[in-house]
Amino acid sequence: AQKVTQAQTEISVVEKEDVTLDCVYETRDTTYYLFWYKQPPSGELVFLIRRNSFDEQNEISGRYSWNFQKSTSSFNFTITASQVVDSAVYFCALSSNTGNQFYFGTGTSLTVIP
Amino acid sequence: EPEVTQTPSHQVTQMGQEVILRCVPISNHLYFYWYRQILGQKVEFLVSFYNNEISEKSEIFDDQFSVERPDGSNFTLKIRSTKLEDSAMYFCASRLTSGSHETQYFGPGTRLLVL
Repeated sequence: AQKVTQAQTEISVVEKEDVTLDCVYETRDTTYYLFWYKQPPSGELVFLIRRNSFDEQNEISGRYSWNFQKSTSSFNFTITASQVVDSAVYFCALSSNTGNQFYFGTGTSLTVIP
Repeated sequence: EPEVTQTPSHQVTQMGQEVILRCVPISNHLYFYWYRQILGQKVEFLVSFYNNEISEKSEIFDDQFSVERPDGSNFTLKIRSTKLEDSAMYFCASRLTSGSHETQYFGPGTRLLVL
């Protein structure tokens, strides 16, 4: 069965602090893709990153970085030097091997305090 | 940059009424999806659609729900007789190809409130 767990329900940090959002997944597929989406207060889902199961290289994009570890089935997301605009709910998602279904975690609500 | 659009952004309806939620996927995309998010909960898959037919659907997508692509651009979700528990944000998404590597791009959502 496919499952994504985001154990952190809510996180608050002070601006400029670093913060890591955890994501743990379960799948029987050997090929799969992992995603992170941001949902700001306005409600839309904004794509942040996609990572395939064969590529365990960490990725950095500006203040965002992602750590994919297949051995622990984790795909964690770090924001460095957080800003108020980073306040949102962040969802980790896993695609099925057909790619037709996305399985979302329950989301982590991040509040960055000025 | 191309994007998925959805209308209306908000809809309020009475229990038992039919609602149609509309989506315009990204123009060259071939795969279409509906998801819903009950307030404060995770995003849940409802249905996927390709080549004018449903390819996968979840347990949530019962006989009260239907989807169609009535013309070359719109993709609709119909709820025949709404229930209170249908109140949620409904997201449409589209994807270019069938590969599992392909990203699904989501629309801004329609917030449905059933009274």
